[in-house]
Amino acid sequence: DGGITQSPKYLFRKEGQNVTLSCEQNLNHDAMYWYRQDPGQGLRLIYYSQIVNDFQKGDIAEGYSVSREKKESFPLTVTSAQKNPTAFYLCASSIDLGPTEAFFGQGTRLTVV
Amino acid sequence: RKEVEQDPGPFNVPEGATVAFNCTYSNSASQSFFWYRQDCRKEPKLLMSVYSSGNEDGRFTAQLNRASQYISLLIRDSKLSDSATYLCVVNRRNTGFQKLVFGTGTRLLVSP
Repeated sequence: DGGITQSPKYLFRKEGQNVTLSCEQNLNHDAMYWYRQDPGQGLRLIYYSQIVNDFQKGDIAEGYSVSREKKESFPLTVTSAQKNPTAFYLCASSIDLGPTEAFFGQGTRLTVV
Repeated sequence: RKEVEQDPGPFNVPEGATVAFNCTYSNSASQSFFWYRQDCRKEPKLLMSVYSSGNEDGRFTAQLNRASQYISLLIRDSKLSDSATYLCVVNRRNTGFQKLVFGTGTRLLVSP
């Protein structure tokens, strides 16, 4: 069954710690994205990647880092520099960076304690 | 002003009602348009793409007016299972890639 898998579903982090969110897809999609969703706000783009070993900052990249070593994988690290990391994080993929729809993973809910 | 604007609702309707959601976008370079559905604490899922000629999928009808930069979604014969947040999404070119811009969503509550 093709799809996008994010893990873990829930994550708790102490202030000052880095944490990495996993995103894997077996849809053979070239483009992958990370979004953040806060209550009452639309999804905001953190990073995106068009192809392996290439990625670009989105609208709110500060305090985050990514890698794209494999086509299937696009992990997101939330660093201690991110001032307000508690949020719902969504990974998505699309066939390419063209005008096509994106498909989402089930999300990771990160809480800083 | 937000690039994609939606009425946040909530829209409270009885089962069987017809309900319409509107969405406006500000960037005339927008090239494709979608409605996504998001259930509480879940990921968004594509409901339907929106084409200039208008398109229908069962009880759902989407319309696009490029001149007015306006998108709509009509749901007929509402079901309890239609209760969700509906996200208007616009895809526009942004320095080399097509960027998806999401509205904040319109919440629908269908009651028995």
